[in-house]
Amino acid sequence: GENVEQHPSTLSVQEGDSAVIKCTYSDSASNYFPWYKQELGKGPQLIIDIRSNVGEKKDQRIAVTLNKTAKHFSLHITETQPEDSAVYFCAAAETSYDKVIFGPGTSLSVIP
Amino acid sequence: DAGVIQSPRHEVTEMGQEVTLRCKPISGHNSLFWYRQTMMRGLELLIYFNNNVPIDDSGMPEDRFSAKMPNASFSTLKIQPSEPRDSAVYFCASSPRRDTNTGELFFGEGSRLTVL
Repeated sequence: GENVEQHPSTLSVQEGDSAVIKCTYSDSASNYFPWYKQELGKGPQLIIDIRSNVGEKKDQRIAVTLNKTAKHFSLHITETQPEDSAVYFCAAAETSYDKVIFGPGTSLSVIP
Repeated sequence: DAGVIQSPRHEVTEMGQEVTLRCKPISGHNSLFWYRQTMMRGLELLIYFNNNVPIDDSGMPEDRFSAKMPNASFSTLKIQPSEPRDSAVYFCASSPRRDTNTGELFFGEGSRLTVL
């Protein structure tokens, strides 16, 4: 089955700096890669996703890149703000209809 | 929309007792997922349903766990008997999935289970 790894497990950045979280996946059949943000005491919430027919996608301060050959995908947050502090999860699925397997998470702290 | 509603939010029980967690998905969503979150294992998929039918229960730890979805607006996850290692936050999520070609999962706020 699919296995998703994520690095780093914790990340601390100064406000205004960029943050990068990297993930790898094992199943070459995976074609859908969402990213979720989880704030304390709440359930995860989708922030962006990318499908395998696209190499990069951007939404304001957030961008994701995908390298299907290497089975790598990454989340980039620019101009970080304190409210970006949360746990971020990458995930993978064969299609957007299938079960979603999550990585172990990255705890991001943005220091004012 | 009220979002995905889970109950109870917190449950403390003793080993050996039966635990039932409940989930009301967002109206109109046709996929429902149960995840378990722990520090050690992260977010684990336990089971998911499409149109009330269980599609994949390979993540259910053992026979002590069972899940049902008797109709489109209600699902339960039952643990019987419960053990201390079952202590975790259990999340229910729903998705409109096939109807909209979106993969977004809408999570509830979770049920925090402590088994003493």
